[in-house]
Amino acid sequence: DTGVSQDPRHKITKRGQNVTFRCDPISEHNRLYWYRQTLGQGPEFLTYFQNEAQLEKSRLLSDRFSAERPKGSFSTLEIQRTEQGDSAMYLCAIGMGYLPGRGTDTQYFGPGTRLTVL
Amino acid sequence: KNEVEQSPQNLTAQEGEFITINCSYSVGISALHWLQQHPGGGIVSLFMLSSGKKKHGRLIATINIQEKHSSLHITASHPRDSAVYICAVMVYGGSQGNLIFGKGTKLSVKP
Repeated sequence: DTGVSQDPRHKITKRGQNVTFRCDPISEHNRLYWYRQTLGQGPEFLTYFQNEAQLEKSRLLSDRFSAERPKGSFSTLEIQRTEQGDSAMYLCAIGMGYLPGRGTDTQYFGPGTRLTVL
Repeated sequence: KNEVEQSPQNLTAQEGEFITINCSYSVGISALHWLQQHPGGGIVSLFMLSSGKKKHGRLIATINIQEKHSSLHITASHPRDSAVYICAVMVYGGSQGNLIFGKGTKLSVKP
């Protein structure tokens, strides 16, 4: 158990529909990351939050994607008007970022949400 | 060219064999991660290192910062080690935390 849960684990949707995924860290970590992984590839960075502030977004995150972390704990990732190219595993990770005296902290990944767009 | 390259892409071994997976990167980094991903998607962090060597059980990770190269070794491999092993780097001076990943090495250990 990495301390990160994601819901749902699998989602099948039709092209054009909206979908929303949720990431719930069990413990408090000030950083939360979203990654996307397509078949046969390593994960790619989408966006990350420092507490409730969204500090960086990858160019992969088109206007159809929006992420929130309203209270600095759980986060949601919404994809509007899904396309077949959105089919992927969406991974959430948590971490503490840079810790004075310790350096960069590791990241703990959730099990992922596998999205299939038909 | 990817900033993080892993080799081999696929590796099949017999139980008990010593296994080495390599990772080369082309950017300055503040840390390198080795991750394990089982079928179904969940990723587990095995090591995070910025210099030298770390050991945990049968797993050993080394990094040579000057050569921009890291290796993950598995001693006395076991079928339960079968998974995808992913190397990921945290770019030095970049955003604090987002990782750049290799494509992974798929390891299959036969009994």
